[in-house]
Amino acid sequence: QVQLQESGPGLVKPSETLSLTCTVSGGSISGYYWNWIRQPPRKGLEWIGYIYYYGNTNYNPSLKSRVTISLDTSKNQFSLNLSSVTAADTAVYYCARLEGPDNVGPFDPWGQGTLITVSS
Amino acid sequence: DIQMTQSPSSLSASVGDRVTITCRASRSISSYLNWYQQRPGKAPKLLIYAAFTLQSGVPSRFSGSGSGTDFTLTISSLQPEDFATYYCHQSYSPPFTFGPGTKVDI
Repeated sequence: QVQLQESGPGLVKPSETLSLTCTVSGGSISGYYWNWIRQPPRKGLEWIGYIYYYGNTNYNPSLKSRVTISLDTSKNQFSLNLSSVTAADTAVYYCARLEGPDNVGPFDPWGQGTLITVSS
Repeated sequence: DIQMTQSPSSLSASVGDRVTITCRASRSISSYLNWYQQRPGKAPKLLIYAAFTLQSGVPSRFSGSGSGTDFTLTISSLQPEDFATYYCHQSYSPPFTFGPGTKVDI
């Protein structure tokens, strides 16, 4: 059974870059789209973007200028970098899988999520 | 972007009640509509995908219907563990978008 686990710093200063990693266990990276989704406190869900196991990426236009998602197949990990963060980027960040080859399926499974707070 | 709306935004119900939540897309998304349940402090859990297909392990009291722009999630007999927020999600076209959620209070 595939499991996803996010890891990251917890606290990031304004204007710095937020970096998170999602480790995939119990299955392969191949054949799937790997996604980042976030949820500000007491608010709804926002899709950030994905990377396909071939390396293709697709980002939410609302964040595109600040987002990079990368893949390390040797470690079964993928990562999120979000630059120039502000308090508005404070959220629980989730990683989630989407089955390929057509990116039209649901997100399943999800990681447990990690709270990132942007504050000086 | 495809905008998703849900109604109601919240509801109060009793154990055993039949509950219906509606989701609407700003344009046709065929059947590329998924439903998630999120309990407080937990990650969303997939309930239904492709509008009406029940995810493995999800109780049969949950069901989904609809196509095009209008979709429905129904809980046939509400149980105490169904206290949660429910989100719809369109996987028709990136950027993928979610509805604002429906909070179900028991």
